Amino acid sequence: SQQGEEDPQALSIQEGENATMNCSYKTSINNLQWYRQNSGRGLVHLILIRSNEREKHSGRLRVTLDTSKKSSSLLITASRAADTASYFCATINAGGTSYGKLTFGQGTILTVHP
Amino acid sequence: ETGVTQSPTHLIKTRGQQVTLRCSSQSGHNTVSWYQQALGQGPQFIFQYYREEENGRGNFPPRFSGLQFPNYSSELNVNALELDDSALYLCASTSTRQEETQYFGPGTRLLVL
Repeated sequence: SQQGEEDPQALSIQEGENATMNCSYKTSINNLQWYRQNSGRGLVHLILIRSNEREKHSGRLRVTLDTSKKSSSLLITASRAADTASYFCATINAGGTSYGKLTFGQGTILTVHP
Repeated sequence: ETGVTQSPTHLIKTRGQQVTLRCSSQSGHNTVSWYQQALGQGPQFIFQYYREEENGRGNFPPRFSGLQFPNYSSELNVNALELDDSALYLCASTSTRQEETQYFGPGTRLLVL
């Protein structure tokens, strides 16, 4: 089953604009990760934020995490046409030995127009 | 490039048949996980193998099985294929069970007719 919802399901913007995607999840987590997928191919890891962190940056990416609301957001600044892809949040649940068991959201399809 | 490869790229089978999908992990990656991604959905965890033994399983029936080999390769086997098994199958590897970032292969797209 899916962990939760991603919002919006699709996002269309112009090059240079910022793109914000949101993710909600249902259970307590160890960490939350964002992955990118081009055209139904393999996923590429973008950034990981731990449950005791509130914000993290990597290049043009900024991720926030609000564990009280069980939600996260991914901001891509100064978007480029090459950022066009599907973006997924994924969580590793707290407790147990579920290190490899990522639970994914349904994804946001981002289209950046040149 | 993640260093993880999968074969074949695409596959067409008919209902009731059996299929084997293959994954080759990076050298040193002794943990491999398999995911099923239906069209328009996020990937769903099938199972994980660590040092050639199953180390966790998602909500998939026993007709989904796997193998992991000492040479960092692994297989996903699906028996008695159903139409709903049509999906992109992804494998992902890590160097240890504790590593949290998964390195995904490009996937195998399976179509069941």
